Amino acid sequence: GAGVSQSPSNKVTEKGKDVELRCDPISGHTALYWYRQSLGQGLEFLIYFQGNSAPDKSGLPSDRFSAERTGGSVSTLTIQRTQQEDSAVYLCASSLSWGGRSSYEQYFGPGTRLTVT
Amino acid sequence: QQPVQSPQAVILREGEDAVINCSSSKALYSVHWYRQKHGEAPVFLMILLKGGEQKGHEKISASFNEKKQQSSLYLTASQLSYSGTYFCGTEWTSGSRLTFGEGTQLTVNP
Repeated sequence: GAGVSQSPSNKVTEKGKDVELRCDPISGHTALYWYRQSLGQGLEFLIYFQGNSAPDKSGLPSDRFSAERTGGSVSTLTIQRTQQEDSAVYLCASSLSWGGRSSYEQYFGPGTRLTVT
Repeated sequence: QQPVQSPQAVILREGEDAVINCSSSKALYSVHWYRQKHGEAPVFLMILLKGGEQKGHEKISASFNEKKQQSSLYLTASQLSYSGTYFCGTEWTSGSRLTFGEGTQLTVNP
């Protein structure tokens, strides 16, 4: 079946512009995660969704960052008034479920490479 | 709090073994291991749950010491395809977010 898809794959934008990054999770996966990865660095947690609600938004770097998920499926990460330090690869992942007595593997999308000039 | 991985980098010859460690300052519920090849997305390797058994497949296995709040990933008889950056991700309670370490860069040479 299809994996996690993200669009666009690359985005170059001017400082101060707004951008929207999209994530399409694996069908049936109820949990969705956003991470940021700067060049040569680890995975920085941004936000995750359980269904359409986001129980943990603490990873969002500033109020310029927001995310939503509708219909328990597609999610959009919006960055307003982009800054050069926002340049990174933004990765989305989904998992079958969350919590309970188990833990679930995350399936990552290919990422969106954002460059702010 | 971010888990600490060691070593930061390791270079092996094909066929050699390696151990990558992941330590946390907080009690853990689970530890995830992922591998990321250059320019690609991370790929899941395995999950270890509190109270669970050591996991493994083929020549890659892992252990989880709850008392020490530490997990180790064991790569046996390494292959060229094992090259990449290995990340551990820790979960403090069931359903909480995954916090990843900085990664361990593994290079396997012929």
